[in-house]
Parts: sequence; structure tokens; C-alpha cells
Amino acid sequence: DQQVKQNSPSLSVQEGRISILNCDYTNSMFDYFLWYKKYPAEGPTFLISISSIKDKNEDGRFTVFLNKSAKHLSLHIVPSQPGDSAVYFCAASGNSGNTPLVFGKGTRLSVIA
Amino acid sequence: ETGVTQTPRHLVMGMTNKKSLKCEQHLGHNAMYWYKQSAKKPLELMFVYNFKEQTENNSVPSRFSPECPNSSHLFLHLHTLQPEDSALYLCASSLFGTVNTEAFFGQGTRLTVV
Repeated sequence: DQQVKQNSPSLSVQEGRISILNCDYTNSMFDYFLWYKKYPAEGPTFLISISSIKDKNEDGRFTVFLNKSAKHLSLHIVPSQPGDSAVYFCAASGNSGNTPLVFGKGTRLSVIA
Repeated sequence: ETGVTQTPRHLVMGMTNKKSLKCEQHLGHNAMYWYKQSAKKPLELMFVYNFKEQTENNSVPSRFSPECPNSSHLFLHLHTLQPEDSALYLCASSLFGTVNTEAFFGQGTRLTVV
């Protein structure tokens, strides 16, 4: 039973537009959420995170929103750039980030020039 | 470069072979992890080591045997694997005990079992 779900396996967005990647979770003990980005033949690299005490965290073009009541988070990338094309993994952790990360299946983002 | 190095990057092995994957981190982290990524599946946690002690084994078959001789090194010993074990094996490390910190991943070993 998947505790972290990314229901969209792929997403295509025009360059300059907003990319919105979604993630749902089922475990109410999760209190720390992360997004990782993965290029082919490389390991995942950390992108941005959010603690459950917040509902928004922004870092440059990347913003993560957390809706605890809906157990839903989303990653917004604006404006999208061709270099953003990668697989994006949502991950969650409990105990203030001190339990191992549980990952979703990933969403492949393609930004079209 | 994330500070976590995995070798080899690619490995092809027969079902009767014995091989080992190696992971090394120089980030001063005290927790290390093995994850498996199969096609169209989430990253699956296999093993967790905190302060060199194995704290989690996610029902991994005994043909996978981890070893953590110190906080900087982690091995995954492989023997009598099956073709369905072909996957990308990722090592990660983190600073356990620090609130809200991220894990850093190596580049992975692409394993093919023939």
C-alpha cells in the first residue's frame, strides 16, 4: 500500500509557463516533506522541502504548498525552463524528519521550448 | 557531486555470481541507506544503518546482505540474484538526529542480472 502517491506519471509544459506537480500521502504521522529531482543516469538531488508547521515554502522559481487537511502537497515551478525537464519525486518523513524517506513513483516533467 | 559516491556505476552479473556494491560518503553523516528503484515503481527502502547499526530491514530477501563497517562506508553484498532484481540501487546518507534535514543520494549502480 503506497503511503506517498504521485498519480501523474508524466507532465508536459510549455517553456515560461507554470508546472504544477502533485503528491498525496496517507500516513498522518508524516511531518516533513521533500521534493527531489532526478536526471537520467544520476541519483536524486534535493530540491525543496516543507515542514508540517508551514503551508508554503518558496525558493526562487520553486514553491511547495502543503495542505495538511487534504494530505496533499504540490510543487510549483514558474517560469518553467527546458533544464527543468527531469523526474520529480515527492518524499515524506516522520518524527521531524528522523525516519527514513518514503518516496512516490515520480512524475516525469517535460518542458517544451 | 553530492558527496555520496557509489561504485560501480554499472554491473552485469549472472545468477550464480557474487558481487558487492560500495557506497562512500564524506559528509559527516551518521545514517546510511540502500534504496532500490525498479521501473515504474517508487524508490523502495531496503536497509537503514544509524551509527553503523542496522535499524531497518524492509523484508529484503537474504540474497541481499548489507554491511556497514563504519559511518562513512556501506556495502551491499549480492549472491544468487534473480533477473527481477535488475534495478537501479541507490545509496543515501543523512544526519540522523537533526530536525528536518534531507538525505543525499549517490548516482546509483545500474544492476542487470542475466
